Amino acid sequence: EDKVVQSPLSLVVHEGDTVTLNCSYEVTNFRSLLWYKQEKKAPTFLFMLTSSGIEKKSGRLSSILDKKELSSILNITATQTGDSAIYLCAVLPASGTYKYIFGTGTRLKVLA
Amino acid sequence: DSGVTQTPKHLITATGQRVTLRCSPRSGDLSVYWYQQSLDQGLQFLIQYYNGEERAKGNILERFSAQQFPDLHSELNLSSLELGDSALYFCASSPLGLADFYNEQFFGPGTRLTVL
Repeated sequence: EDKVVQSPLSLVVHEGDTVTLNCSYEVTNFRSLLWYKQEKKAPTFLFMLTSSGIEKKSGRLSSILDKKELSSILNITATQTGDSAIYLCAVLPASGTYKYIFGTGTRLKVLA
Repeated sequence: DSGVTQTPKHLITATGQRVTLRCSPRSGDLSVYWYQQSLDQGLQFLIQYYNGEERAKGNILERFSAQQFPDLHSELNLSSLELGDSALYFCASSPLGLADFYNEQFFGPGTRLTVL
């Protein structure tokens, strides 16, 4: 069965710290991996990683896909209180059915 | 604002009842996805429609059904509601089509369903 596992489940840091969130997956025929940030309500898209795009960066956030290890990391540098959220990882297998598989998320809390 | 709208925002009902959740995708998006998010389960994929037809099915109960209409809006029907159905229900849309494999999803604000 396809699955996505995120770690840690939760972490608390102080402003200015750097955090690394992990996402590992077991899917049949990987197509793409997506990172989302969920604050109060709807998840908002951060990055999409594919076989042809294994590293993405936007400001203080960056993400890398390790196809050999079947995993991805999301790095946030110089964290701010506004980074407090649940970070979701989702994988889209190349099964032809477009069923995104989400991990349970990592809850990040940044203290002032 | 993702461009995806969902109504109602909150819904409180009793066990055994039936409710309908509505979703309007972003303009031009043909695919609609429904997800259920509860505290202990994370985001669970329920069902996907593409241009009016069912494309993929996830962990959707038989008591639940959905459809996508010609104007591309979608409805999720939940019947014989149980306490455990209380959750946040998200709709997402994507331009994802038959040949386009790398599109992201845009999530609506969600409908919070509380079953008493």
